[in-house]
Amino acid sequence: GENVEQHPSTLSVQEGDSAVIKCTYSDSASNYFPWYKQELGKRPQLIIDIRSNVGEKKDQRIAVTLNKTAKHFSLHITETQPEDSAVYFCAASRVAGGTSYGKLTFGQGTILTVHP
Amino acid sequence: GAVVSQHPSRVICKSGTSVKIECRSLDFQATTMFWYRQFPKKSLMLMATSNEGSKATYEQGVEKDKFLINHASLTLSTLTVTSAHPEDSSFYICSAYKQRNRVSSYEQYFGPGTRLTVT
Repeated sequence: GENVEQHPSTLSVQEGDSAVIKCTYSDSASNYFPWYKQELGKRPQLIIDIRSNVGEKKDQRIAVTLNKTAKHFSLHITETQPEDSAVYFCAASRVAGGTSYGKLTFGQGTILTVHP
Repeated sequence: GAVVSQHPSRVICKSGTSVKIECRSLDFQATTMFWYRQFPKKSLMLMATSNEGSKATYEQGVEKDKFLINHASLTLSTLTVTSAHPEDSSFYICSAYKQRNRVSSYEQYFGPGTRLTVT
């Protein structure tokens, strides 16, 4: 099955700095890579996702890059703000076809703290 | 956006009793729902895939007789923790795909979670 490794486990930055979180995956058939933000006691919220036919995607201060050859993808947050503080999870999934349709395998999570 | 609800949000039960958690897709039909378990400061671990009208598919290491899943309609899946023990205490979260035009959306919509405490 799929295995997703996420680093770092904790990340502390000053407000305005950039934050980068990296993930690697093992299943070359995975083709969908979402990133989630989870605040304490709440549901994961999708912040950005990327499909395997795209190398990079950006949405305002958030961007994701994907290297299919190396099987890794990264989340980039620029101009960080204190409200960005949360736990971030990467995930990988194989969608469309096969018995593992839609299953998300999550990384271990990164606790991001943005200091004012 | 799609909305997934869970009930109850919090439940405390005594060891040996059973607890049922409901997951509902409020504004769309979901043929597939997923149940996750999350320990404090840990990641989400997939427990099982709930399929409407058929048996759930459990992940390796998850006891199907302990975690009973029923997906009787296109908007409701239930997880019953049977003979609960303190080690079953956890945050349980469900999610669902929204089917659109025969092509499923890639996005999973998560429920708000249920905090189970077994005393």
